[in-house]
Amino acid sequence: VQLVESGGGVVQPGRSLRLSCAASGFTFSHYLVHWVRQTPGKGLEWVAVISVDGTKTSYADSAKGRFTISRDNSKNTLYLQMNYLRPEDTAVYYCARDNGGYYDDSGFQSYYFDSWGQGTLVTVSS
Amino acid sequence: QSVLTQPPSVSGAPGQRVTISCTGSSSNIGAGYDVHWYQQLPGTAPKLLIYANTNRPSGVPDRFSASKSGTSASLAITGLQAEDEADYYCQSYDNTLSGDVVFGGGTKVTVL
Repeated sequence: VQLVESGGGVVQPGRSLRLSCAASGFTFSHYLVHWVRQTPGKGLEWVAVISVDGTKTSYADSAKGRFTISRDNSKNTLYLQMNYLRPEDTAVYYCARDNGGYYDDSGFQSYYFDSWGQGTLVTVSS
Repeated sequence: QSVLTQPPSVSGAPGQRVTISCTGSSSNIGAGYDVHWYQQLPGTAPKLLIYANTNRPSGVPDRFSASKSGTSASLAITGLQAEDEADYYCQSYDNTLSGDVVFGGGTKVTVL
């Protein structure tokens, strides 16, 4: 199982950036996948999750309206489109596989993250 | 402020036992949702350490153990080793938030 993020970099406030996460070693389309971020020297913050077929999403309040999570199961790739970036979005962004999580009529039932990427650093600064 | 509360730091001498608490509420741990633990070594991504309250993934030494009771959970490291110096995070599910995943603020374990 391997997850490899890319797309991070330095961006000015108000601009956009798209992160990618390439998955391999497992059947990508069978799993919920998430984005989790970690600000420098701080703890982990969940950002977003997407259903196995890509039709359902959920976001942290800090990401709602600005970030969009998506996936392309034919390419085994997860994405995070980040718009209107703010300095407080500066963080290492990880993609993570959810083992046991699912989506049902009650919404997302996330479970635990059994595989993480190495992370990609996003720096929002003028 | 994290939804799950952990002590910022704990320390112990090699060979000692240390514990890390993770305190939640009736909407997460107290509602019966499982607790999971992650270890983050310096400069690396988090790694799953304990899942579903008490279970160790293959390859995790048995000196790591965990438990859950009421609105809290705890992680214990017995026979502390220098390589255990890392940040540890608990994680659970919360049924009241827009997102369902919640983390603790993390605990830095220092081996004296």
